[in-house]
This record gives sequence, C-alpha cells and structure tokens, in this order.
Amino acid sequence: EPEVTQTPSHQVTQMGQEVILRCVPISNHLYFYWYRQILGQKVEFLVSFYNNEISEKSEIFDDQFSVERPDGSNFTLKIRSTKLEDSAMYFCASSEGPGASHEQYFGPGTRLTVT
Amino acid sequence: AQSVSQHNHHVILSEAASLELGCNYSYGGTVNLFWYVQYPGQHLQLLLKYFSGDPLVKGIKGFEAEFIKSKFSFNLRKPSVQWSDTAEYFCAVNARNRDDKIIFGKGTRLHILP
Repeated sequence: EPEVTQTPSHQVTQMGQEVILRCVPISNHLYFYWYRQILGQKVEFLVSFYNNEISEKSEIFDDQFSVERPDGSNFTLKIRSTKLEDSAMYFCASSEGPGASHEQYFGPGTRLTVT
Repeated sequence: AQSVSQHNHHVILSEAASLELGCNYSYGGTVNLFWYVQYPGQHLQLLLKYFSGDPLVKGIKGFEAEFIKSKFSFNLRKPSVQWSDTAEYFCAVNARNRDDKIIFGKGTRLHILP
C-alpha cells in the first residue's frame, strides 16, 4: 500500500539554525499538509498546499516557516531560524483531493529537537 | 472555529473489556469526523471516518463509532479490547467541503492490561 514517507526521522538542531524537513507524499496525491505535535499536546494544523500554492495556513505558520515542492516528488517544510518552542513532532500528510472531502494520509513524522 | 473535546485522557482496561471513548466537537456546520490511532513508536493511522450516510461507522480492528448529530458526538467503541489495542486515540473533525485542515482532540491514551 502506498505510504507517505518523511526524512529524517529525528533532527537535532541548535536554536537559530535553519532546518528543512522532507516528505514524499503518495504519488497520485495533489494536496499536501504539514501538522505538528508538541510533546504532550494535540496535533495542530500548520499549512495546506495545492497547485504550488499555500491554500490555508494557521496562526502558527508565521514568516519563519515556508513550504515548497521543489520537484515532482518532495514536499518540504523549512524553518528559517529555529526556536526552542519549535521542538515537536512534524507530520506530513497528503490527499488525492481537497482535505475537506478526502482522506488525508499521514507520514511517520520527524521529531525535531531544538537545543 | 471548530474544536474537539475528548473526555478521557488516560484509560486503563483489562483484556476483553468493552471500550467507549468519548468525543464531542464544536462546529455549527456540516462536518467530517475521524478517529486516528497512534501505536507506540508508529505514525498516525486512520481507524475510521464519517463523511456522510450511515451514522454508525465501522473501522479496522473491530472498532466502530456513532455520529450523533444532536449531541455533536462521535464516540469510539469496541466490544472486546485486546492488549494490542494499547495506543493513543485521537478524535478529529474538519468542516466538510470547506476546510482542508483537520482539528484534533488532545488524545486518549489507552492502556490494556494483559
């Protein structure tokens, strides 16, 4: 069964450094998402992306964050200057059609630790 | 804005016990409803979903959930749990045909005693 994959599984970085989290969505999916889960808290939506544009973003997704689909297969989340509070599990998801009417498939997550 | 409330943060049951995890949502419009499970060390997996139709939804591994619109509820049930059901369970909602984003509850950690 096709799966969403994410790399790396665990990233440790120092405060102020840039990180790029990578995702490979399911190949025929057109809609892509990032969510995060701070330890002990709920999973929170960050951003959705379709047709090379952000379609929706949350208040968390400020100017420090950006997303990109650099080629036909990868979907990336960049954090420009990491803060301690960015430490979380970051989940990528994809869906065949709009998330409002189609199932989103989640990847295994990248654990980001900012020291 | 939508929100999801899960009543139990931590549930401990013995094998073969029946399970019901409560979930209520807050949203005035039409919704899609989900239960996700996260087994230890693994990623979020969809247990079941309600988009429309029969409000009693059957999912994988013997789980089911019932959408009661008048109560804004979508409780998860299983008649007889197994040790392998030990996991964290998340109820989630999104606004049908409007919002792509899924709003999650805080999760219920289920621990099954062998």
